[in-house]
Amino acid sequence: ETGVTQTPRHLVMGMTNKKSLKCEQHLGHNAMYWYKQSAKKPLELMFVYSLEERVENNSVPSRFSPECPNSSHLFLHLHTLQPEDSALYLCASSQTSGGANEQFFGPGTRLTVL
Amino acid sequence: AQRVTQPEKLLSVFKGAPVELKCNYSYSGSPELFWYVQYSRQRLQLLLRHISRESIKGFTADLNKGETSFHLKKPFAQEEDSAMYYCALSGSSASKIIFGSGTRLSIRP
Repeated sequence: ETGVTQTPRHLVMGMTNKKSLKCEQHLGHNAMYWYKQSAKKPLELMFVYSLEERVENNSVPSRFSPECPNSSHLFLHLHTLQPEDSALYLCASSQTSGGANEQFFGPGTRLTVL
Repeated sequence: AQRVTQPEKLLSVFKGAPVELKCNYSYSGSPELFWYVQYSRQRLQLLLRHISRESIKGFTADLNKGETSFHLKKPFAQEEDSAMYYCALSGSSASKIIFGSGTRLSIRP
């Protein structure tokens, strides 16, 4: 598959569960991002990785733990989440992490925390 | 502080009418401005950016530094323009990009 893929597309978890979201990009990009899209808030940048190194952590709670093992894969590990963490989580990639670069988005993972 | 404001949550216009989606920003440095669009059941994707000065699908946007605005315009709306539109801001060397809250554009036949 081309572009940016995300799995799973839907996830329901309890507050004590541990789960992971996966993102993969097939575009040869060097930067990857996690965003949170809630119903009542603007799209929020969570993390930025450039060449597998985290360059931005936008004051995200520690119950969200990102991992970037290589420039094509990005994970978001979830642990003891709260119901207010229910949202659409979007992954994106760009050629580099510079602000002028076009971001290519995945389809998102719809997360529901019970 | 960096901020992007899209004052309209919903904009509804008739097919063939002009469209203007408003975007105002706050940024102390040299901004990079973008419009992203999300059509129904599709991914968020870039529509246009101010540095390229292009017209995409009939849309244009001019950066007005005096008014700190980057409004998106189209002279004649089409039904396929119905979508969610997000204005976004970044610095030229920054890795961080900030999105506005979005405007849902609905084109009535």
